[in-house]
Amino acid sequence: GESVGLHLPTLSVQEGDNSIINCAYSNSASDYFIWYKQESGKGPQFIIDIRSNMDKRQGQRVTVLLNKTVKHLSLQIAATQPGDSAVYFCAEKGGVGGSYIPTFGRGTSLIVHP
Amino acid sequence: EAQVTQNPRYLITVTGKKLTVTCSQNMNHEYMSWYRQDPGLGLRQIYYSMNVEVTDKGDVPEGYKVSRKEKRNFPLILESPSPNQTSLYFCASSFSASWNTEAFFGQGTRLTVV
Repeated sequence: GESVGLHLPTLSVQEGDNSIINCAYSNSASDYFIWYKQESGKGPQFIIDIRSNMDKRQGQRVTVLLNKTVKHLSLQIAATQPGDSAVYFCAEKGGVGGSYIPTFGRGTSLIVHP
Repeated sequence: EAQVTQNPRYLITVTGKKLTVTCSQNMNHEYMSWYRQDPGLGLRQIYYSMNVEVTDKGDVPEGYKVSRKEKRNFPLILESPSPNQTSLYFCASSFSASWNTEAFFGQGTRLTVV
């Protein structure tokens, strides 16, 4: 079927490398951020979230970094595996003056080569 | 198993023939929403519902209708589909519309209007 990865920024890595996926968000009032993973033919799945009172949060093999000064979010994946190949979206929500409706970024396609 | 279920997964229809895409969640979530996903444009919100009988327009509501008569169901209605509504559609739900909750997505419905 048609890939949602068409026309998206693409990051290609070798299996075992660390991956860093970046996201610039738009609303300085947003105070909750989420990373989603979307595999081919599936709906987005929650990976990790972070609130604006934090600048780093770690999960299993994933770390999210938040830099509110420059409105930048990153997702780091350690020891990337072929199963990590997917499109990754960031989403922002909330905050005074912000919206409780999530706004999604366009996504980055991660390709992991064995 | 907690899930969001969309039907059908694939649909080909002709211009002008009314159709409904169903969405059901079994998590007792208050907030439900519909997105369309197009190459290069990411996820765009069509409509959302804060709770039963409460619905509102998202970013791209033209040509769509929704209803929320029961908490678990949130059907998307295309009264007179047109080819520009050919897209991949996702239903999502979350516990509430508050800022610190992630969305759970269905598997998607690929709609083609000819």
